[in-house]
Amino acid sequence: QSVLTQPPSASGTPGQRVTISCSGSSSNIGSNTVNWYQQVPGTAPKLLIYSNNQRPSGVPDRFSASKSGTSASLAISGLQSEDEADYYCAAWDDSLNVEVFGTGTKVTVL
Amino acid sequence: QITLKESGPTLVKPTQTLMLTCTFSGFSLSTSAVGVGWIRQPPGKALEWLALIYWDDGKRYSPSLKSRLTITKDTAKNQVVLTLTNVDPVDTATYYCSHRRIAAATFDYWGQGILVTVSS
Repeated sequence: QSVLTQPPSASGTPGQRVTISCSGSSSNIGSNTVNWYQQVPGTAPKLLIYSNNQRPSGVPDRFSASKSGTSASLAISGLQSEDEADYYCAAWDDSLNVEVFGTGTKVTVL
Repeated sequence: QITLKESGPTLVKPTQTLMLTCTFSGFSLSTSAVGVGWIRQPPGKALEWLALIYWDDGKRYSPSLKSRLTITKDTAKNQVVLTLTNVDPVDTATYYCSHRRIAAATFDYWGQGILVTVSS
């Protein structure tokens, strides 16, 4: 029951910049902060970005994010092979009273 | 250092009750502005938030599963238990527990997950 919409896939060659979008509504992204999670296949999700654009300690500054209105985006600059993973956006939804996750985007490094 | 680990059965039969335990260290659920949440992920699918319990025993549930879910905490044991009644094969998923940082509204530490299969 993903409420946040992401493109199913994105790709780039090493060194390129890749951007992932996350589209929501006024009750989630429009009202609350957005978080981004990275999930390498077979492992648990890892917090990548919190509070719209903050990186936890240890996350490379190649990862950046922004929010505008009811949409958010994640950018990966200088794409590396280890960035190949699934990426999920998330936010609290005030109408549903749930944490909603995005549909997920699989990033492939060509 | 915050760590979490899920435990419980990996195979349950339809209509049975699933009980999962999250055992954590590095924080206390009696500390203000802290919570523990459960999130699941069916094979090949997206993440789905299930429930959240706060330091003050406040609880939140996914509306679509609220009638079947119960979340409790044992502060002394550093454990959170999730119960899901009347399971169905569609409940087959990897179940994760996660530390919730209330101020940032984020799940900042995750357990490794436990794959639960519902099958007769």
